[in-house]
Amino acid sequence: QKEVEQNSGPLSVPEGAIASLNCTYSDRGSQSFFWYRQYSGKSPELIMSIYSNGDKEDGRFTAQLNKASQYVSLLIRDSQPSDSATYLCAVTGSQGNLIFGKGTKLSVKP
Amino acid sequence: DTGVSQDPRHKITKRGQNVTFRCDPISEHNRLYWYRQTLGQGPEFLTYFQNEAQLEKSRLLSDRFSAERPKGSFSTLEIQRTEQGDSAMYLCASSSGQGTGELFFGEGSRLTVL
Repeated sequence: QKEVEQNSGPLSVPEGAIASLNCTYSDRGSQSFFWYRQYSGKSPELIMSIYSNGDKEDGRFTAQLNKASQYVSLLIRDSQPSDSATYLCAVTGSQGNLIFGKGTKLSVKP
Repeated sequence: DTGVSQDPRHKITKRGQNVTFRCDPISEHNRLYWYRQTLGQGPEFLTYFQNEAQLEKSRLLSDRFSAERPKGSFSTLEIQRTEQGDSAMYLCASSSGQGTGELFFGEGSRLTVL
């Protein structure tokens, strides 16, 4: 059973701080990695995708991938209260489906 | 609005009844996915289609669950003989199947089994 593991949190950071979210996955054959954000009562929405080792930056968000360690992370710089949400790590499976972790709940305190 | 739409948004049913959910994907998307999500958990994969072909079905999925996408457009998810454990949010998502693999989710259909 392919798995995606995340710390469920909650992770609490002060406004303006860096929030660091981590994820590990079990399938070494996975090729594509995603971070989705889910506000309470809403559906997930994609915020970052990463496909090769290293860092990928988009605004205040940086995704990091280390395939050797089977590890993906998301950094949120200058965290804002509006970033308070559950962050879902997702990894493509061998059949083309997308497997999600349980999510990490982030709370940014003003 | 050209996003993913799901119907009904809420369904309350008694144990043992059958329920059916409908999903209309973004029109140019050829992939359609069904997920189930319960409180505090991430979306759990159920099944997905490329056009009208059902390419994968979760091994965790009971035989009471069936999904169709007869013409490669909208899809239905039917749950027969519902149980209280089926209570969840049923999410539909679609993607173009190209490039990024980004999934676009609908608002979900919330099922409550009494």
